[in-house]
Amino acid sequence: GAVVSQHPSRVICKSGTSVKIECRSLDFQATTMFWYRQFPKQSLMLMATSNEGSKATYEQGVEKDKFLINHASLTLSTLTVTSAHPEDSSFYICSARDSQGGGPSTQYFGPGTRLTVL
Amino acid sequence: GEDVEQSLFLSVREGDSSVINCTYTDSSSTYLYWYKQEPGAGLQLLTYIFSNMDMKQDQRLTVLLNKKDKHLSLRIADTQTGDSAIYFCAETFMGNDKIIFGKGTRLHILP
Repeated sequence: GAVVSQHPSRVICKSGTSVKIECRSLDFQATTMFWYRQFPKQSLMLMATSNEGSKATYEQGVEKDKFLINHASLTLSTLTVTSAHPEDSSFYICSARDSQGGGPSTQYFGPGTRLTVL
Repeated sequence: GEDVEQSLFLSVREGDSSVINCTYTDSSSTYLYWYKQEPGAGLQLLTYIFSNMDMKQDQRLTVLLNKKDKHLSLRIADTQTGDSAIYFCAETFMGNDKIIFGKGTRLHILP
């Protein structure tokens, strides 16, 4: 099946620094990618929809200046957490929609990135 | 509004069947899904069902959908230790890629 990778898998940073997380579709093209955030024992909350070549669409309550999304190519989207604070510590998961595929099973999830802000 | 509810925890003996239940509020969903998440990992799509179907079976997995009661279940036959994970119920709607997830049910396997 289709593979989505995320890098890094784990990151620890100091409060006030910025962290970039990459999401790549390895064997398919994705015009649309999604960024989710998962708190312990909680569901995945959609943060934003990333569209190749255009601005991301953010969900209500998500600060676009805090969570910068860039989708510069059909296989790469990045999420940058700017001026990170301990409350930004979470598990961030991306998914990518296969541009060539249709139907309900063509959104593939990455393995997630564990961010810890000290 | 969109809301998906699941019980948070299920404990089952190895070899028994596991039944994980889910209820949803918006009857206009087009597809309903079950995802599996192992510790520290992303989500793996296990199976999905179109909203006008009642049942779908795939090897050890059986999905039942009661649209009238807005109830979805996942039955795992002959539960194995490798089935230990969190199982998320989810739904999507016509013309929209957005997936609405439940909080997940943690399946614990007893020896």
